[in-house]
Amino acid sequence: AQSVSQHNHHVILSEAASLELGCNYSYGGTVNLFWYVQYPGQHLQLLLKYFSGDPLVKGIKGFEAEFIKSKFSFNLRKPSVQWSDTAEYFCAVVKAGNNRKLIWGLGTSLAVNP
Amino acid sequence: DSGVTQTPKHLITATGQRVTLRCSPRSGDLSVYWYQQSLDQGLQFLIQYYNGEERAKGNILERFSAQQFPDLHSELNLSSLELGDSALYFCASSVGTAAHNEQFFGPGTRLTVL
Repeated sequence: AQSVSQHNHHVILSEAASLELGCNYSYGGTVNLFWYVQYPGQHLQLLLKYFSGDPLVKGIKGFEAEFIKSKFSFNLRKPSVQWSDTAEYFCAVVKAGNNRKLIWGLGTSLAVNP
Repeated sequence: DSGVTQTPKHLITATGQRVTLRCSPRSGDLSVYWYQQSLDQGLQFLIQYYNGEERAKGNILERFSAQQFPDLHSELNLSSLELGDSALYFCASSVGTAAHNEQFFGPGTRLTVL
């Protein structure tokens, strides 16, 4: 069965530190990949997604992720975090196509200290 | 604000009872998805509807059912509730059924079963 693994459950950083959150998935076929973010008290929202083309994807708020097919990975990065990046981050994977089930990682809680 | 609304925000009920959660998708979105989020299992896809028809099914229990109405709002019915059904239930919507479509999430309904 498909699964998504997020390696870090809790991350604590100081402002201006660099961020990398790991995401690995188990499915071997063509996939679409997503990172969603949930800020405190807010709804889940899309940070970025990959479904074809350049494997380096840029999202909102300075985030980017790189799809490495050979490693089944889609790690999220940001060169310099801010206090406002404190949130829960979720990686999700779905088989390409229609009417597919999105499979989610358990999430990574990021706390950025000012 | 994602444009997806869910009611109620909180629901407290007893074991054995039946509840209905309601979701209104973003204007123009035809697909509705239901998810269950619990601490131990993370976000689990339950079911997807597109324009009134069921399109994909995930780990939805037989005690749970859903439907999408002609006005595109959706309801998730949970019956014979158990303590383990306590969770956050999210609804999301997207414009179509393609896997790469962004899903827009509502604020969730927090269900507590006592």
